[in-house]
Amino acid sequence: EAQVTQNPRYLITVTGKKLTVTCSQNMNHEYMSWYRQDPGLGLRQIYYSMNVEVTDKGDVPEGYKVSRKEKRNFPLILESPSPNQTSLYFCASSLRPASGYTFGSGTRLTVV
Amino acid sequence: AQTVTQSQPEMSVQEAETVTLSCTYDTSESDYYLFWYKQPPSRQMILVIRQEAYKQQNATENRFSVNFQKAAKSFSLKISDSQLGDAAMYFCAYRSQPLGNQFYFGTGTSLTVIP
Repeated sequence: EAQVTQNPRYLITVTGKKLTVTCSQNMNHEYMSWYRQDPGLGLRQIYYSMNVEVTDKGDVPEGYKVSRKEKRNFPLILESPSPNQTSLYFCASSLRPASGYTFGSGTRLTVV
Repeated sequence: AQTVTQSQPEMSVQEAETVTLSCTYDTSESDYYLFWYKQPPSRQMILVIRQEAYKQQNATENRFSVNFQKAAKSFSLKISDSQLGDAAMYFCAYRSQPLGNQFYFGTGTSLTVIP
């Protein structure tokens, strides 16, 4: 089944403890992206990638890192999480701009 | 940066009736893509319909159709014969051309379907 898989679905962590949210797609898509969803703000783009080793900042990149060493994987790294990064996170991929993004199931992150 | 505005935080519709959700956007680009996504309580983001700006014809997908007014920068979603399963949060989204890197979402409209 064609899909975007992100893990974990739920995560509670403490301030300052490094964490990684994994994302993998099996559709050979060029584009991948990370979003955070907060009430009243919609989805905001954190980072995106057009291809392997090509990444760039979205609208809210502060406090996040990404890497794209393989086409299928695009992990999101929080080096030192803070409570204001408590949010719902989505990974997404697309073949081309016209096709829209296919989204993963989301990761609910709570930083205490 | 482009902005996408959904001015209706909440809407409701009677089952089997028609409802229209509004979306406007701001851009200086002439080529771009527009999308509507549905997010049910399961939180999964589901693509409902898409429109390419260079196409004048409005997109349709079964009971879903759009009214795309390029000059007015308006992109509304019409849901016909509303069903209980249509209850969800709906997001309008804009994707830039030609690289397609930037993808902007509105703040969403919560749709309730009344039996």
